[in-house]
Amino acid sequence: DVKVTQSSRYLVKRTGEKVFLECVQDMDHENMFWYRQDPGLGLRLIYFSYDVKMKEKGDIPEGYSVSREKKERFSLILESASTNQTSMYLCASSSIRLAGITSSYNEQFFGPGTRLTVL
Amino acid sequence: RKEVEQDPGPFNVPEGATVAFNCTYSNSASQSFFWYRQDCRKEPKLLMSVYSSGNEDGRFTAQLNRASQYISLLIRDSKLSDSATYLCGKGNNNDMRFGAGTRLTVKP
Repeated sequence: DVKVTQSSRYLVKRTGEKVFLECVQDMDHENMFWYRQDPGLGLRLIYFSYDVKMKEKGDIPEGYSVSREKKERFSLILESASTNQTSMYLCASSSIRLAGITSSYNEQFFGPGTRLTVL
Repeated sequence: RKEVEQDPGPFNVPEGATVAFNCTYSNSASQSFFWYRQDCRKEPKLLMSVYSSGNEDGRFTAQLNRASQYISLLIRDSKLSDSATYLCGKGNNNDMRFGAGTRLTVKP
């Protein structure tokens, strides 16, 4: 059974703190993603990574950084947390897309989410 | 403009009804499309992929219209257990963009 785990379900931090959100997948997937989900805004892509030590900015990377030192682990870092970063953070992983095949190869598997509150 | 747009609803329908959601997208180079289901306080899970020819899985039918750049999801004979938020996803190579989700409530 595929599994994506996140280090915390709930987290409360103070403004200015450095925050680490960890994500681990056991499916040997190449791609990993960080999203935040807010009411009315849906899932917004923060960063993604298609290989170890590789990263790409998503739609809202400001205020965040990421680290992918090992294939199975993708970390999201809030260098100096702010109240507008209070949100649900979801990690996902997927296998690489194979050229010429139209199927569900891009299917993403999500972790349970981390509800982060910044006070 | 967002890459993926969805009507947020809510859609409130009686049991047994047929309900349809649409999702429009930009970037015609998109290669793959999906519908995900998200229950309250849970993570999204894949409901079905969407193929150009349209595909059906039981009471669920998904369609892709590349010319008009939209995908649709049709749910027939709605059940109480279909109540959830439905997210459309658009894949470009190795990344994915999602719509904001459409909330469906099926009532007895």
